[in-house]
Amino acid sequence: QAVVTQEPSLTVSPGGTVTLTCGSSTGAVTSGHYPYWFQQKPGQAPRTLIYDTSNKHSWTPARFSGSLLGGKAALTLSGAQPEDEAEYYCLVYHSGGRVFGGGTRLTVL
Amino acid sequence: QVQLQESGPGLVKPSQTLSLTCTVSGASINIGNYYWGWIRQPAGKGLEWIGRIYTNGDAGYNPTLKSRVTISIDTSKNQVSLELRSVIATDTAMYYCVREPRGDWGQGTLVTVSS
Repeated sequence: QAVVTQEPSLTVSPGGTVTLTCGSSTGAVTSGHYPYWFQQKPGQAPRTLIYDTSNKHSWTPARFSGSLLGGKAALTLSGAQPEDEAEYYCLVYHSGGRVFGGGTRLTVL
Repeated sequence: QVQLQESGPGLVKPSQTLSLTCTVSGASINIGNYYWGWIRQPAGKGLEWIGRIYTNGDAGYNPTLKSRVTISIDTSKNQVSLELRSVIATDTAMYYCVREPRGDWGQGTLVTVSS
């Protein structure tokens, strides 16, 4: 089974910009992997921010965007807010199923 | 606006079968190009994809769980079901129901495996 890798932790200043990435052990992540990005805050269920690489959910703040960058899926946060501090997970399609990354703990500080 | 609600026993004994139901409201489960899936999360750990089923009944599973898992749909009740057999303590987790492709989540249900 493919291994999907994310940065374990990142820190961004309020108002700053940060990019989280999602890579695969099998090679480049492409649109054919239909990458998702989820946000989870402590004690809450995850919620979808991005699906199919770059599509936003109805509640996704405009400051979040999804893309492909250097062979990886990427989630960019432009203009970080304190409420963006959370765990972020990516999910990609592989061989008929899906595989999660280990998550990135994002600190806004 | 679709809503997903997980339900089932909160406590299951080791070696028994975990059975959960996801009741869907606001959408018909057999209409549209949707996958209905299950994801779990042990306390303090990351997310694990369990499997999913298409509206036509085609299902796919996590290879590490495939031998113990069955996901099914009941269109008459507008429900998706998860069955996990021969459970062990490490199956203790929050279990979430999800609709793809947009990624609509239920609130989850906690299942503890313990004697």
